[in-house]
Amino acid sequence: SAVISQKPSRDICQRGTSLTIQCQVDSQVTMMFWYRQQPGQSLTLIATANQGSEATYESGFVIDKFPISRPNLTFSTLTVSNMSPEDSSIYLCSVEGRRDRDYGYTFGSGTRLTVV
Amino acid sequence: GQSLEQPSEVTAVEGAIVQINCTYQTSGFYGLSWYQQHDGGAPTFLSYNALDGLEETGRFSSFLSRSDSYGYLLLQELQMKDSASYFCAVISSWGKLQFGAGTQVVVTP
Repeated sequence: SAVISQKPSRDICQRGTSLTIQCQVDSQVTMMFWYRQQPGQSLTLIATANQGSEATYESGFVIDKFPISRPNLTFSTLTVSNMSPEDSSIYLCSVEGRRDRDYGYTFGSGTRLTVV
Repeated sequence: GQSLEQPSEVTAVEGAIVQINCTYQTSGFYGLSWYQQHDGGAPTFLSYNALDGLEETGRFSSFLSRSDSYGYLLLQELQMKDSASYFCAVISSWGKLQFGAGTQVVVTP
């Protein structure tokens, strides 16, 4: 399965600022996914990022707040813009598993964001 | 819309067997997966079912009934290290993975 390097692992940010989270994959993948996990909650899909096209956002998430880049098949960034304390969460990237195998998705180690 | 339901918490003793049920409503269903997440860690893949029936992977087994929109994860010979959150997740035909609310499994001595 793919190996994902995600950074930063954690950050404390001032409200009104922005943070960019990076994910690097050790192999080429078609789709990358970004999730948010609020404290004690499940993972909520923010958007799907395909190389060469705009990201597709889930209901409740908008590009102005969570712009995503996908410049190539091994890298993606998620920016959390104009942050407020409500954005304090863990953000995770993920890549799709292999349909011809066990179809297990792989996750980055997560970015723990605290907005003060 | 899409929804997945699973129990919020299950407590069991070491060596016991635990079954976590998951019912789902979704469009474009491709398969059902299970993930484990320890506090502070990333979700890790446990099992996947695309077809009806039972899949066994060591102490963990997963079952799917597509006609009933139902699946379960079976944890056997529970160990203390199995204390974690367990999520069922639906894979859609277009590759998106959507998670249930999660079940906290507490293993006691």
